[in-house]
Amino acid sequence: DAGITQSPRHKVTETGTPVTLRCHQTENHRYMYWYRQDPGHGLRLIHYSYGVKDTDKGEVSDGYSVSRSKTEDFLLTLESATSSQTSVYFCAISDGRDQPQHFGDGTRLSIL
Amino acid sequence: GDSVTQMEGPVTLSEEAFLTINCTYTATGYPSLFWYVQYPGEGLQLLLKATKADDKGSNKGFEATYRKETTSFHLEKGSVQVSDSAVYFCALIPRSGNTPLVFGKGTRLSVIA
Repeated sequence: DAGITQSPRHKVTETGTPVTLRCHQTENHRYMYWYRQDPGHGLRLIHYSYGVKDTDKGEVSDGYSVSRSKTEDFLLTLESATSSQTSVYFCAISDGRDQPQHFGDGTRLSIL
Repeated sequence: GDSVTQMEGPVTLSEEAFLTINCTYTATGYPSLFWYVQYPGEGLQLLLKATKADDKGSNKGFEATYRKETTSFHLEKGSVQVSDSAVYFCALIPRSGNTPLVFGKGTRLSVIA
């Protein structure tokens, strides 16, 4: 299994609070991705990174920001969480844009 | 833009039955194609892949052939087991554009003993 660790695995928080999810990899892969998975929508890309400090928006980036200060870590931040951001969040990594992505085990986030 | 269409689920089969999950795609050029599997409570795992026309990907008894004539990549298994119960996603990497990976909506498979 690819060395990907997501933390926390579960989190419950209140509307309006800031939340940061962490993805840590031990594979030294250049690309890292954040997805959300919701019933009826499948997986949707939030943001991705193609190198340290290099990021780009995905399909559903509004309300989310990301940072990548080290190759191994990719952080997803909800500046002011809303109930619509309740979801399961997955991190993925790949060695190149044209290489298959490998996924972490996910973070279940509930915003009340 | 590029897209992937999978058959609607859920699919329910008896153990040892033959499985087919249909997947067709729309893309510019010849994308790389993948099947991922997601077991309950887990992340997606790469099941198999094909990078060019007529390639056959295979893993754990599952197979899929890249058919450019029909723009399809159907997943098959000759004899399913209860442990194959999961959600299966077809996906492609576009040759161009900003989206790194395009997924289908997923097909839930339930295998009963």
